[in-house]
Amino acid sequence: GAVVSQHPSRVICKSGTSVKIECRSLDFQATTMFWYRQFPKQSLMLMATSNEGSKATYEQGVEKDKFLINHASLTLSTLTVTSAHPEDSSFYICSARYRDATEAFFGQGTRLTVV
Amino acid sequence: GESVGLHLPTLSVQEGDNSIINCAYSNSASDYFIWYKQESGKGPQFIIDIRSNMDKRQGQRVTVLLNKTVKHLSLQIAATQPGDSAVYFCAENTGFSGGYNKLIFGAGTRLAVHP
Repeated sequence: GAVVSQHPSRVICKSGTSVKIECRSLDFQATTMFWYRQFPKQSLMLMATSNEGSKATYEQGVEKDKFLINHASLTLSTLTVTSAHPEDSSFYICSARYRDATEAFFGQGTRLTVV
Repeated sequence: GESVGLHLPTLSVQEGDNSIINCAYSNSASDYFIWYKQESGKGPQFIIDIRSNMDKRQGQRVTVLLNKTVKHLSLQIAATQPGDSAVYFCAENTGFSGGYNKLIFGAGTRLAVHP
């Protein structure tokens, strides 16, 4: 099956710094990528959807200037958490889909801890 | 700090029994549904999907039932095994057939299988 690789799997950063998370589709072209955030014992909350070459569409309540998403190529999307604070500590997960394919493939997630 | 949020409901079953996990979805316009399994610290893993023009679909040991009238989805796991222990999420796709296409997750259910 299709593979989506997310990096890093864990990251600890200091409050006020920025962190970049990468999401790569290894064996298919990801025309659409989704970014989710998951707090402990909760569901995945969609943050934004990005189509290759276009600006990301953010869900209501998600600050686009704080969570910068770049989808510059068909195999790579990045999420940058700017000026991170402890409340941004969470599990961030990306998923990727090819065109009108039904299935979205998920990365293994990134555990972000802001201290 | 720790987020305060909903705790996932838990379904406890004996090994070998059948499990039924339920999900209520929100959007009557959703046209594609997926069940995912998530193990601790990992991204969601695809189990089975169903389109809105169907009411039942079977896979290996799993069956998904869709009731559009009451916007209800269920996942049946036959002969539940310890390896099935995980959190299960239903997800609804809105706009698959055209328009804005995104995948929204339900609240999730923790399945605990006891030997």
